[in-house]
Amino acid sequence: GIQVEQSPPDLILQEGANSTLRCNFSDSVNNLQWFHQNPWGQLINLFYIPSGTKQNGRLSATTVATERYSLLYISSSQTTDSGVYFCAVNFGNEKLTFGTGTRLTIIP
Amino acid sequence: DGGITQSPKYLFRKEGQNVTLSCEQNLNHDAMYWYRQDPGQGLRLIYYSQIVNDFQKGDIAEGYSVSREKKESFPLTVTSAQKNPTAFYLCASSIGPGNYGYTFGSGTRLTVV
Repeated sequence: GIQVEQSPPDLILQEGANSTLRCNFSDSVNNLQWFHQNPWGQLINLFYIPSGTKQNGRLSATTVATERYSLLYISSSQTTDSGVYFCAVNFGNEKLTFGTGTRLTIIP
Repeated sequence: DGGITQSPKYLFRKEGQNVTLSCEQNLNHDAMYWYRQDPGQGLRLIYYSQIVNDFQKGDIAEGYSVSREKKESFPLTVTSAQKNPTAFYLCASSIGPGNYGYTFGSGTRLTVV
């Protein structure tokens, strides 16, 4: 199956800083999603981005499918951005495979 | 508002007991999924269902069972055969298999006492 690696595993930043999270995947995909899991466990879908670039407020994501990676950018971090960010991929109708996540902690 | 409801939020189980976790959605989604999450880990797929009365094993199905008698409901039973059931369980749904519209429930935290 597809392997998904995320880096860094942990990231601690001061409020207001910018960050870049990376997702590498081992095979061709036609579905890539970024999720945020808050400290209470709720997972929220941030982006569906199999290729190209999208932006939503302070968050943006870029996927370069030919090079098999995706990046999630968070600008002007706020404490509410804390949590775990997951990348998940699949190809066709295969099941979604999740990475192990990046734990982001924003310090006031 | 449409969404996924998981219940209960917290569940305690004695050794040797079966317990059933509820997952209900009113999004009219065809596909539903159960994931297990251990502390500091990613999500692992237990079972998934792409249509009513059909379901498939995921990566870690041993010790679990599911049913899909209604489109809205996908309950998960954690049986006594599951050797290490203490974990956080998440239910999700999507419009179709592999589709981008994944919606997650708020999870059930199961603890064996």
